[in-house]
Amino acid sequence: EADIYQTPRYLVIGTGKKITLECSQTMGHDKMYWYQQDPGMELHLIHYSYGVNSTEKGDLSSESTVSRIRTEHFPLTLESARPSHTSQYLCASGDREKLFFGSGTQLSVL
Amino acid sequence: GNSVTQMEGPVTLSEEAFLTINCTYTATGYPSLFWYVQYPGEGLQLLLKATKADDKGSNKGFEATYRKETTSFHLEKGSVQVSDSAVYFCALSESSGGYNKLIFGAGTRLAVHP
Repeated sequence: EADIYQTPRYLVIGTGKKITLECSQTMGHDKMYWYQQDPGMELHLIHYSYGVNSTEKGDLSSESTVSRIRTEHFPLTLESARPSHTSQYLCASGDREKLFFGSGTQLSVL
Repeated sequence: GNSVTQMEGPVTLSEEAFLTINCTYTATGYPSLFWYVQYPGEGLQLLLKATKADDKGSNKGFEATYRKETTSFHLEKGSVQVSDSAVYFCALSESSGGYNKLIFGAGTRLAVHP
């Protein structure tokens, strides 16, 4: 049973709002990841972190930002949400090559 | 760069049918290979993995063999159940600059009918 949690599960907001998607894990993993999943199901890595104060951009360019102040917490922030940001966002943490995923946040920007 | 290609879905089967979902990869070196499964409304879960050529990963009746000569890692199950309905992702591990991360295929949706 994976101990990685994402909140909120669903979020509907208006254009221009600032939002933060929360991700926490209790497994002590150094590696954490954010994936964006499009309606066709394909997963795109947008951010990753290999430890506290370490963050890197992924393969897909994203207007979001992340921070890693504590090992267990890896929030994702959009300063000004737009309809093009509507998507499913999946957080994951890993030990070596195995990843554990949260249930995701379905974001809809109107 | 490294990439993973999966057969397009949806795959629709009757209960107890044989399942094959094709996966091929392009990579430098010898990556580890994975199958993840995503049930409706949930995140991804690791289904099985193989770390070197000719390794066979297996779990819950699913199997996949790491074939270096054909750069493939096809997922198979002898008799599917309705509860196997989900989206299946093939993935490989990529190492770069001391970091490693997973590269996923596009996913294949499986629907099993009674």
